[in-house]
Amino acid sequence: EAGVTQFPSHSVIEKGQTVTLRCDPISGHDNLYWYRRVMGKEIKFLLHFVKESKQDESGMPNNRFLAERTGGTYSTLKVQPAELEDSGVYFCASSYSTGISYEQYFGPGTRLTVT
Amino acid sequence: AQSVAQPEDQVNVAEGNPLTVKCTYSVSGNPYLFWYVQYPNRGLQFLLKYITGDNLVKGSYGFEAEFNKSQTSFHLKKPSALVSDSALYFCAVRDLSEAGSYQLTFGKGTKLSVIP
Repeated sequence: EAGVTQFPSHSVIEKGQTVTLRCDPISGHDNLYWYRRVMGKEIKFLLHFVKESKQDESGMPNNRFLAERTGGTYSTLKVQPAELEDSGVYFCASSYSTGISYEQYFGPGTRLTVT
Repeated sequence: AQSVAQPEDQVNVAEGNPLTVKCTYSVSGNPYLFWYVQYPNRGLQFLLKYITGDNLVKGSYGFEAEFNKSQTSFHLKKPSALVSDSALYFCAVRDLSEAGSYQLTFGKGTKLSVIP
């Protein structure tokens, strides 16, 4: 089966611009997660969708970040306006179920550089 | 709140030698522990997990991990390292958030370099 895909793989934007990241989960996976790794630090949870609903968005840094998952398929994460500290690698993951034993499958990530 | 520590930023090991990548955790309640690996320009790949049962967990690519409750550790091991094992390794713990989400909390990662 196809894995989790993310687009673009790399984005370089200037401070104040807008960027939209896309994630396509594994087909049939209702759960979709966004994580972020700032250079040299831990991978941090951002939010979790169950189908099209936000289950938990406690990790979203501020209101400049907006995530959507219309129709419960792919998801987008928009950063508007981007700031320097938003630079990092944004990972998307999906899982079949919310059960604690179900592993999350990760995409290759989008490397965002804000200059 | 749960946390994970990977005390080594980098581990170097000679090819053919055993390797260990360390991980300690702090959780309230039962720990649900995972190891992921990230190869260059690739996403995180699931290696193995501990949910319950046998303390020695076997995973992909010949890796295994030993759960030690008294030492709150979950070290990743492999009897004989390969050059192709060179990658970034992440330990993670899974817990239920207040919003009802099973999210992962990761360590900072350990870069493993296997020297030919």
